[in-house]
Amino acid sequence: GEDVEQSLFLSVREGDSSVINCTYTDSSSTYLYWYKQEPGAGLQLLTYIFSNMDMKQDQRLTVLLNKKDKHLSLRIADTQTGDSAIYFCADGGAGSYQLTFGKGTKLSVIP
Amino acid sequence: DAGVIQSPRHEVTEMGQEVTLRCKPISGHNSLFWYRQTMMRGLELLIYFNNNVPIDDSGMPEDRFSAKMPNASFSTLKIQPSEPRDSAVYFCASSWAGRTQETQYFGPGTRLLVL
Repeated sequence: GEDVEQSLFLSVREGDSSVINCTYTDSSSTYLYWYKQEPGAGLQLLTYIFSNMDMKQDQRLTVLLNKKDKHLSLRIADTQTGDSAIYFCADGGAGSYQLTFGKGTKLSVIP
Repeated sequence: DAGVIQSPRHEVTEMGQEVTLRCKPISGHNSLFWYRQTMMRGLELLIYFNNNVPIDDSGMPEDRFSAKMPNASFSTLKIQPSEPRDSAVYFCASSWAGRTQETQYFGPGTRLLVL
């Protein structure tokens, strides 16, 4: 089946940039998503990118997509302690209503 | 605008008991998803409905699990009998699915502990 891979942990200092990486295998993916899960909470949609785009910026968030390498990244500028959470990458295949989620990257921000 | 609503938020029960989890999707959405999240297995899709009809239940672990969607604004996930290995966080999500994939919005989850 299709697969989405992420590293499990990332630790950064407050004020630095964080880059969370994701690779996927479904070449027919139409949308790729980033969700954020804070402790004890549900998944919150952060941003998404359509597969014909290579970059999307939204305030402190920058999403980069390399469709050739099937690589997606999320950059958080000026990382704050409130950004500490688990970040999930997910891809939606063409013609499918389902999302395939990665296992999540736990971001720890050191004050 | 209310998001996806789930109840209860926490459930503690004893092995063998029946557990019913409830979900109210976002109004106007036509697709509903039930997920289970554990440390070991991450986020797993259990079942999804489109226009109240179960489309794919291949993720349902076994016959002890059942899900229904009697109308567009309500769904249940039932476990009978429950077992300790069912302990997990169960999420409901909804979306509006047209010709293309649409964004899924998640509820806050139900944290289930089976003793």
